[in-house]
Amino acid sequence: EVQLLEFGGTLVQPGGSLRLSCAASGFTFGTYAMTWVRQAPGKGLEWVSSISGSGDSTQYADSVKGRFTVSRDNSKNTMYLEMKSLAVEDAAIYYCARDYETSGIGGIIVVLGYWGPGTLITVSS
Amino acid sequence: EIVMTQSPATLSVSPGERVTLSCRASQNIGTYLAWYQQKPGQAPRLLIYGASTRATGIPARFSGSGSGTEFTLTISSLQSEDFAVYYCQQFNNWPPITFGQGTRLENK
Repeated sequence: EVQLLEFGGTLVQPGGSLRLSCAASGFTFGTYAMTWVRQAPGKGLEWVSSISGSGDSTQYADSVKGRFTVSRDNSKNTMYLEMKSLAVEDAAIYYCARDYETSGIGGIIVVLGYWGPGTLITVSS
Repeated sequence: EIVMTQSPATLSVSPGERVTLSCRASQNIGTYLAWYQQKPGQAPRLLIYGASTRATGIPARFSGSGSGTEFTLTISSLQSEDFAVYYCQQFNNWPPITFGQGTRLENK
């Protein structure tokens, strides 16, 4: 059974930094692209970042480019999102999600077939 | 950036009704479209991808159609568990990946 679980959400001050983790199990982690999606309270879904199975290819939304870094450790079946210079508008539930089908170690499709329950980031002084 | 526009924002419906949700892309995306269902307090769930292919375990009452810029999600006979917010998402021309703003199904 595919399982994804996010960790690291907390209250952080504006300008602060945070690292989220997404622990995966139930599949061959390194063969699937992974994605972070966020949802501000009461709002819709916003794509944040995606990373290929190998980790060699990454993409970012303009709203986080230069501040957020996605990475993965396939030996630990874990994806990360390093976040810097956090702003009030970054406050949201952050979901990690797995591509529905594998496109090999280098591809990213972003059809999000499996999701974690999400972790909440609050940005406030 | 491809803008995804869903209509209506809210739809008041009754169980047993046939429901049609619309999604429009600002550019041609072929069939690179997915639909998700999200219930309160839960993560989204993939319903449809490739505009018309149901994901594993999705009931047959859910169907998707369309190509290019106009897409439709149809629920043939609404069940009580289908009251939720539905999002469309394009994955043709990215980054960025873009979602529609969502359509909420509420009980009439």
